[in-house]
Order: sequence, then C-alpha cells, then structure tokens
Amino acid sequence: SQTIHQWPATLVQPVGSPLSLECTVEGTSNPNLYWYRQAAGRGLQLLFYSVGIGQISSEVPQNLSASRPQDRQFILSSKKLLLSDSGFYLCAWSYSQETQYFGPGTRLLVL
Amino acid sequence: AQTVTQSQPEMSVQEAETVTLSCTYDTSESDYYLFWYKQPPSRQMILVIRQEAYKQQNATENRFSVNFQKAAKSFSLKISDSQLGDAAMYFCAYKPPGTYKYIFGTGTRLKVLA
Repeated sequence: SQTIHQWPATLVQPVGSPLSLECTVEGTSNPNLYWYRQAAGRGLQLLFYSVGIGQISSEVPQNLSASRPQDRQFILSSKKLLLSDSGFYLCAWSYSQETQYFGPGTRLLVL
Repeated sequence: AQTVTQSQPEMSVQEAETVTLSCTYDTSESDYYLFWYKQPPSRQMILVIRQEAYKQQNATENRFSVNFQKAAKSFSLKISDSQLGDAAMYFCAYKPPGTYKYIFGTGTRLKVLA
C-alpha cells in the first residue's frame, strides 16, 4: 500500500531564515506530487505540483520554491522566510489524475 | 471559471442523528471526479468518499453516502448515525478531466453534540 511522509511535523523559524520541508511517497511510482498551504481555519491553497522528476509547476509566485530530485521526493524551500509564510503545509500525491491522498502535514510558525 | 461552493460554514448534528453537507460546483465538463475530504483536529486530510461523474449510482462508504445530482451540479454528503469522531472540517473537491489540479471548496465545520 502507498504511504506518504512529511517532515518535520512542526517547525518554528525566525524571519529571514531558510526553509526546507520534505515529502516522500512509498509504494508507488511516478506519482503526481503537490504542495498546499492552509492558513488557520481556511481552505487549501495550491503552491506547486509536479508530474515528474525535475518538472515543477508554480501556482503562486512568492518566495517559496519546490524541487523534485527523485521520483518520490518533493521538497519545498525558501531562502528567506517571511511572517506570512506561517501556516500548515500539506503534501499530496495522486496517480493517473484520480484520487489525491495527503500527508500528515507540517506546522510552520515564522516568528 | 471552475469553482466549488460550500455554502454552510458550520453545521451541528446530535450524536446518532443524520446530517447533510452541501456542495455545488461549476463546470462545463461531462466527465470528472468529485471528492469529500475530512480534516479532523490533527489537520491531516482524509478521503471520505469519491464519485466518478459518469457513474449514475451514488457512492457509499459505510455511514457516508453522497447525493450526486449531475444536472444540478450538486454533490452533497450525508453522514448517518453521527459519531463524536465525525467532528471535523469537511472539504468538497472537484477534479476536472485532463488537468492535474484539484479545486477545493472553503469547507464546512461539523460539530457533533453529545
């Protein structure tokens, strides 16, 4: 069966510091991968998605970037965090453009 | 533009009773996917149920069922015999054909009263 992991689970970072969030999927090959952000009590905002290694589509231009160095690894990064980057970050995967499955998420607090 | 609307920001239901959460969507497509996700306090998004638009039969998963009205572009979720563990945010989502993006509604917070 497929499993999706995210780490860290919680992160507290100062403004201006770098960020690296990692997502990995097990049990499937060539998944479509997604990064979402969710502010407290709000809906999901799609940040990036990837349909293959090195292929990244950006939905929201900002100081975040994403990379997919391996088939089942998706990384969300920032060189300098802003206060507005605080939120809950969810990674998700899908296969054959059907059902999307989510990871446990990372809570990011930028102070 | 393709949109998903959840008009009920919050709903309450008595334990063991039945509740229906509403979702409407806007599309000109004929073949697509619809989903309901549950987000409990842990905030992990959990798939509750999925419906393929070309299937006439409404999807059912144990106490969860949908009322899919394709012509009306309506996709409501019925929860029967509500339990305290059903308390969560519920998101409706639409997947257009031929794209990789999923369109989510703004969510409905369900409270279950003991």
